[in-house]
Amino acid sequence: DTGVSQDPRHKITKRGQNVTFRCDPISEHNRLYWYRQTLGQGPEFLTYFQNEAQLEKSRLLSDRFSAERPKGSFSTLEIQRTEQGDSAMYLCASSFGSSETQYFGPGTRLLVL
Amino acid sequence: QQPVQSPQAVILREGEDAVINCSSSKALYSVHWYRQKHGEAPVFLMILLKGGEQKGHEKISASFNEKKQQSSLYLTASQLSYSGTYFCGTERGGSTLGRLYFGRGTQLTVWP
Repeated sequence: DTGVSQDPRHKITKRGQNVTFRCDPISEHNRLYWYRQTLGQGPEFLTYFQNEAQLEKSRLLSDRFSAERPKGSFSTLEIQRTEQGDSAMYLCASSFGSSETQYFGPGTRLLVL
Repeated sequence: QQPVQSPQAVILREGEDAVINCSSSKALYSVHWYRQKHGEAPVFLMILLKGGEQKGHEKISASFNEKKQQSSLYLTASQLSYSGTYFCGTERGGSTLGRLYFGRGTQLTVWP
């Protein structure tokens, strides 16, 4: 039984660099979500896909963030010109449709120096 | 827009009960409950859907008051493994169906 996987698990980068994270959802799940979580807070929605279509992007998300899900399988989240405020845990979740259980991956912890 | 959880923290002895509450100012379609241990991903506990359907953990119960937009998670006969931060995620209908808004969490500590 394979759950949601994310890579890398940890990333340290210098301010101004670009970073890319990968998420592999549970194979039969057509929905994929990206969340960001900082210390003491709950996960904050960033964007989500249904198959390969990106259906919604949070207004809080700056233009430096972009996500893709080619062929409706894995997804990538790219952050360009990273800032120290981008330091957080980036969580990916997948589900089989809306209003269904969202299963979270282990997350990618980003530290921007 | 995020739901409000209460209490912020709970400390229990093993075997005691606890209730965690979640309330929203917006009309809700469903409420999702998760538990997260330090450094780990949130783990699904339960979904409560508008209309009364529930899916989830056998040993955990919850309620959803659709009129008041409130949900409560009931933890009975707590075990050491129940320690962690509990989050409610609320789902609204319409164009945002599927998107979850999470509260700030309730930190539960169970002592032997």
